[in-house]
Amino acid sequence: EDKVVQSPLSLVVHEGDTVTLNCSYEVTNFRSLLWYKQEKKAPTFLFMLTSSGIEKKSGRLSSILDKKELFSILNITATQTGDSAVYLCAVYTGTASKLTFGTGTRLQVTL
Amino acid sequence: GAGVSQTPSNKVTEKGKYVELRCDPISGHTALYWYRQSLGQGPEFLIYFQGTGAADDSGLPNDRFFAVRPEGSVSTLKIQRTERGDSAVYLCASSSITLAGRGSNEQFFGPGTRLTVL
Repeated sequence: EDKVVQSPLSLVVHEGDTVTLNCSYEVTNFRSLLWYKQEKKAPTFLFMLTSSGIEKKSGRLSSILDKKELFSILNITATQTGDSAVYLCAVYTGTASKLTFGTGTRLQVTL
Repeated sequence: GAGVSQTPSNKVTEKGKYVELRCDPISGHTALYWYRQSLGQGPEFLIYFQGTGAADDSGLPNDRFFAVRPEGSVSTLKIQRTERGDSAVYLCASSSITLAGRGSNEQFFGPGTRLTVL
């Protein structure tokens, strides 16, 4: 059974801190890994990673994939209160018809 | 439309009743997905459509759950004889990926329908 595990489950940091969120996976026929931010209901897309070692960056957020060790990290630098959300990691497998999600990391950024 | 829309946003029903949840994907997206998200969990895959056909329905939990997409755009998720355990947020997503693998498989999510079964 495909499995995606995220850590930590929750995290509280002060504004300005840098955080690293982890995602490991055990799946058959890996295709790509995606990160989403979920604030209320709809997850919003952050990154899609397919190749190992290539960092993707968007503003203060960046992510990288290690296909040998089967994990990805999401970094957020200079955190702001607006970064408070649940961050979801998901993996496409097989025919890429569906995403298998982790349980998410709940990030709270305080003043 | 500009994004994926879902109706209703909230649905409260009684155990044993029938419910229908609607999803309107991004215009032109041929791929449509339904997920279910319970409190404190990540979304769990239910079914994937390419055009009008269900390409993968392996996530439907039992035969009380059924989904259709008759014209290849709007989809309806139907739940018969609802049970308290069906209470969750039901999310719909769409992407431009085709059966031939063209397009992007980045999935865009709707705001979800929160279903509560009393």
